[in-house]
Amino acid sequence: GENVEQHPSTLSVQEGDSAVIKCTYSDSASNYFPWYKQELGKGPQLIIDIRSNVGEKKDQRIAVTLNKTAKHFSLHITETQPEDSAVYFCASPTGNTDKLIFGTGTRLQVFP
Amino acid sequence: SAVISQKPSRDICQRGTSLTIQCQVDSQVTMMFWYRQQPGQSLTLIATANQGSEATYESGFVIDKFPISRPNLTFSTLTVSNMSPEDSSIYLCSVEIVTGETQYFGPGTRLLVL
Repeated sequence: GENVEQHPSTLSVQEGDSAVIKCTYSDSASNYFPWYKQELGKGPQLIIDIRSNVGEKKDQRIAVTLNKTAKHFSLHITETQPEDSAVYFCASPTGNTDKLIFGTGTRLQVFP
Repeated sequence: SAVISQKPSRDICQRGTSLTIQCQVDSQVTMMFWYRQQPGQSLTLIATANQGSEATYESGFVIDKFPISRPNLTFSTLTVSNMSPEDSSIYLCSVEIVTGETQYFGPGTRLLVL
């Protein structure tokens, strides 16, 4: 089955700097890669996703890049703000199903 | 997107008892899932809630411990049975409005078992 590895587990940046979180997956048939942000006491919120027919997708300060050959995808946050502080999870479906396998999470702290 | 609510939002329970968690969506959805998130950990899929039929459980999860109902396209329940302290977790439901599309998550139910 699918295995998703996520790095780093924690990331501390200064406000205004960029943050990059990387995930690798094992199932070459995977074609959908969402990123979720989970704030303390809340459920995960989808922030951006990408499908395998594109290599990059941007939404304001957030971007996701996908390298299907290397089987990894990354979340890029530019001009970080304190409100970006949260735990971020990547995910990928297993096999030809809707079941998402989640990475282990990255705790991002943005210091003012 | 979909607006998802869960009840209760949190609870403290005694070991050996059972708790039923409700998940309500503001529109009809095709897929509903239940996840467990242990303290400080990632999300693990418990089961897919199938409308009008038995849920499909993932490895390590059984119907006797986590019975699930889904009577219609907007509502599902998860019961945590015969609870022990190891069941202390956040339980999350998620939905897909269209099969194969984005999954949206509810706010979660925070369960503490003493």
